[in-house]
Amino acid sequence: EIVLTQSPGSLCLSPGERATLSCRASQSVNKNYFAWYQQRPGQAPRLLIYGASSRATGIPDRFIGSGSGTDFTLTISRLEPEDFAMYYCHYSASPPYTFGQGTDLDIK
Amino acid sequence: QVQLVESGGGLVKPGGSLRLSCAASGFTFRDYYMTWVRQAPGKGLEWVSYISSSSGSTIKYSDSVKGRFTISRDNAKNSLYLQMNSLRAEDTAVYYCARDALVPGLYFDYWGQGILVTVSS
Repeated sequence: EIVLTQSPGSLCLSPGERATLSCRASQSVNKNYFAWYQQRPGQAPRLLIYGASSRATGIPDRFIGSGSGTDFTLTISRLEPEDFAMYYCHYSASPPYTFGQGTDLDIK
Repeated sequence: QVQLVESGGGLVKPGGSLRLSCAASGFTFRDYYMTWVRQAPGKGLEWVSYISSSSGSTIKYSDSVKGRFTISRDNAKNSLYLQMNSLRAEDTAVYYCARDALVPGLYFDYWGQGILVTVSS
């Protein structure tokens, strides 16, 4: 089973700043099955990035996914107020599908 | 537009049973794998189960629910189900149904709003 470890666990930044969120897999993974989700309080998760670097429909271009192998990154180039939320990485090539424990992006 | 609406949650005693439903609309339900994901209060996301498209002949479960939960689908009713038996306190969570990509496993592109299941005496 693939284990995904996200860092940092929490991040405090101000609107307009750049956020860098990391996700490390316990072994090399197929990036086609790697995704990032955003979850705002009280809401369902929302797909942001799939295939490690492709933005989902309607996702602004300030969200940038990158990485391969064991190391993946979600960069938010300039934070908007609505970007402060939880972020989860996810790998789903074969069950059991796994999620990282999440990064809590808080407003400073 | 794509919509997924869960129902059937509530309070149940340990050892009890509950059946969740997910009503789908806005897409050809039978063409998609469907998944259940849960989230315990204040915790992260946990994949629970998936069922393949069309006949639903392929089903997988997480180890934490295997043997207790059963996923199923009714394409005529555009509905997904999760029968939960022998419930434990640790099954307390918000349960989300989600639509898989057309190529299964790539991502979950649509999610329901979630339904709370509380297992407590």
